[in-house]
Amino acid sequence: EVQLVESGGGLVQPGGSLRLSCAASGFTFSSYEMNWVRQAPGKGLEWVSYISGSASPIYYADSVKGRFTISRDNAKNSLYLQMNSLRAEDTAVYYCARGGSIRQIDYWGQGTLVTVSS
Amino acid sequence: DIQMTQFPSSLSASVGDRVTMTCRASQSISNYLNWYQQKPGKAPKLLIYAASSLQSGVPSRFSGSGSGTDFSLTISSLQPEDFASYYCQQSYRTPYTFGPGTKVDIK
Repeated sequence: EVQLVESGGGLVQPGGSLRLSCAASGFTFSSYEMNWVRQAPGKGLEWVSYISGSASPIYYADSVKGRFTISRDNAKNSLYLQMNSLRAEDTAVYYCARGGSIRQIDYWGQGTLVTVSS
Repeated sequence: DIQMTQFPSSLSASVGDRVTMTCRASQSISNYLNWYQQKPGKAPKLLIYAASSLQSGVPSRFSGSGSGTDFSLTISSLQPEDFASYYCQQSYRTPYTFGPGTKVDIK
């Protein structure tokens, strides 16, 4: 059974940093592209970042480019999102998500809430 | 960036109704169009990928069609568990944009 479990969310002040982790199991992690997708409270879904199975290429949404860094450790079956210079508008539930054959998202984690507030 | 629009933004329907919702891309995305269902407080769930391919385990009352810029999701006979929000997403080019969603509620 495919499982994606996020951790690392919480309350952080504007300008602060946070690192999200996603533990993957139930599939050959290194063979799959991965994404982060977020959802602000009461809003729609926003794709944040993509990383291939080999960690290249990597893509970001313009809203996070230069502030967020996606990475993966295939030996640990883990995906990460380093978030720096956080802003109030980054407040959202962040989902770890597996990419499928046409880069659809075929599995999602349960999400971790990041709140940016003073 | 490719912009995705969905309409209607919400609809009210009864159990057993046939429901169709539409998604439009700002430029051609071939068949790189996916549909997700999301219930309150839950992660989204993939229903349809590549415009018309049913994800494993998804009931056959869900179907998708379209190519290029215009797409649709149809629920042939609405069930109580189908009351949710539905999002389309293009995976043709980054950023992999989502539509704003269609909320289906009980009439």
